[in-house]
Amino acid sequence: DQQVKQNSPSLSVQEGRISILNCDYTNSMFDYFLWYKKYPAEGPTFLISISSIKDKNEDGRFTVFLNKSAKHLSLHIVPSQPGDSAVYFCAASTGANNLFFGTGTRLTVIP
Amino acid sequence: NAGVTQTPKFRVLKTGQSMTLLCAQDMNHEYMYWYRQDPGMGLRLIHYSVGEGTTAKGEVPDGYNVSRLKKQNFLLGLESAAPSQTSVYFCASSYTNRVQETQYFGPGTRLLVL
Repeated sequence: DQQVKQNSPSLSVQEGRISILNCDYTNSMFDYFLWYKKYPAEGPTFLISISSIKDKNEDGRFTVFLNKSAKHLSLHIVPSQPGDSAVYFCAASTGANNLFFGTGTRLTVIP
Repeated sequence: NAGVTQTPKFRVLKTGQSMTLLCAQDMNHEYMYWYRQDPGMGLRLIHYSVGEGTTAKGEVPDGYNVSRLKKQNFLLGLESAAPSQTSVYFCASSYTNRVQETQYFGPGTRLLVL
């Protein structure tokens, strides 16, 4: 049973526009959420995270929003750049040693 | 500083064969993890290690064994490979097991079991 879901397998966005990647989860015990970015033939790399005590975390062009009541988080990238083209995974955790990953969304930023 | 490396990058096995995947990290991390990634599913934790000589089961441990004889290495073994073990395997490491601590991933090993 997939506890973390990314319902959009792919997303295409024009360069300079906003990219919004969505993630839903089912386990209300999750208290920390992360986004990872993955390029082909490479491992995932950490991008940004958010604790359940916050509803927003920003790092440069990347902002993660958390809506606990809806069990939903989103990653906003603005402005989008061609180098942002990658697969983005959201992940959630209830504590140490257990990260539950979503299936990933492939973002393509069109120049 | 190579980070996390994985050997081999790609392997084809026949059903019933055995093999060992090697993960090495040069960041002096205590914690190491093995994940598998399958189409339509997120990365799933197979086994993890909280330090040299210690291992523990993750979400999908069946059919795999692991060993952590040296702090920098974490081995994943398949004693009798099955087609269901066709997957991409990722190793990761972190300094602590706090969820806020970033896990650093290797580039992956693509395994095909025929």
